[in-house]
Amino acid sequence: KAGVTQTPRYLIKTRGQQVTLSCSPISGHRSVSWYQQTPGQGLQFLFEYFSETQRNKGNFPGRFSGRQFSNSRSEMNVSTLELGDSALYLCASSWDYSNEQFFGPGTRLTVL
Amino acid sequence: DQQVKQNSPSLSVQEGRISILNCDYTNSMFDYFLWYKKYPAEGPTFLISISSIKDKNEDGRFTVFLNKSAKHLSLHIVPSQPGDSAVYFCAASDAGNQFYFGTGTSLTVIP
Repeated sequence: KAGVTQTPRYLIKTRGQQVTLSCSPISGHRSVSWYQQTPGQGLQFLFEYFSETQRNKGNFPGRFSGRQFSNSRSEMNVSTLELGDSALYLCASSWDYSNEQFFGPGTRLTVL
Repeated sequence: DQQVKQNSPSLSVQEGRISILNCDYTNSMFDYFLWYKKYPAEGPTFLISISSIKDKNEDGRFTVFLNKSAKHLSLHIVPSQPGDSAVYFCAASDAGNQFYFGTGTSLTVIP
């Protein structure tokens, strides 16, 4: 079956702009989590959605937000971009958050 | 504050030998641990997991050991193969609340 897909794969934005990233989970998976990966910081948890509700949230500023649709697809939005937001953003899906997560290939965001 | 730490950013091992990747954690409430492997330009893929009620879990060439008293887990790969060259992340969670990842260890297996 198809894996987790993320679009776009690459993005270049300038400071102050906003960006929306999209994630389509594996069919049947209702939990979608988002992570930020930067060199030296590993994967930092952003938030997790389950059945259209944000169930968990990491320690990121309010500029980072997300939502999940009824078909479990999820979007992540970052407003007022800063240089430090340059990172690989990974989306992962699972049947339920406590189970194994399947990751997408990520969206590489570069903020200039 | 990093609750899961991988103190070795990189590791090089000869093909056929054992690779040992280490991970330390600080939260005694963590009860589920996983290892992921990541190739460049791809997302992490699940490798092996262990729950806190066990101290060892084996899957083929991969074995994960958990030492709860030391808050330490390790991944052993025997024998190491060139295709194992990747970045390895350990992760931990507390009752499924949230996963905490380490910073990763880049493994290079030399043919």
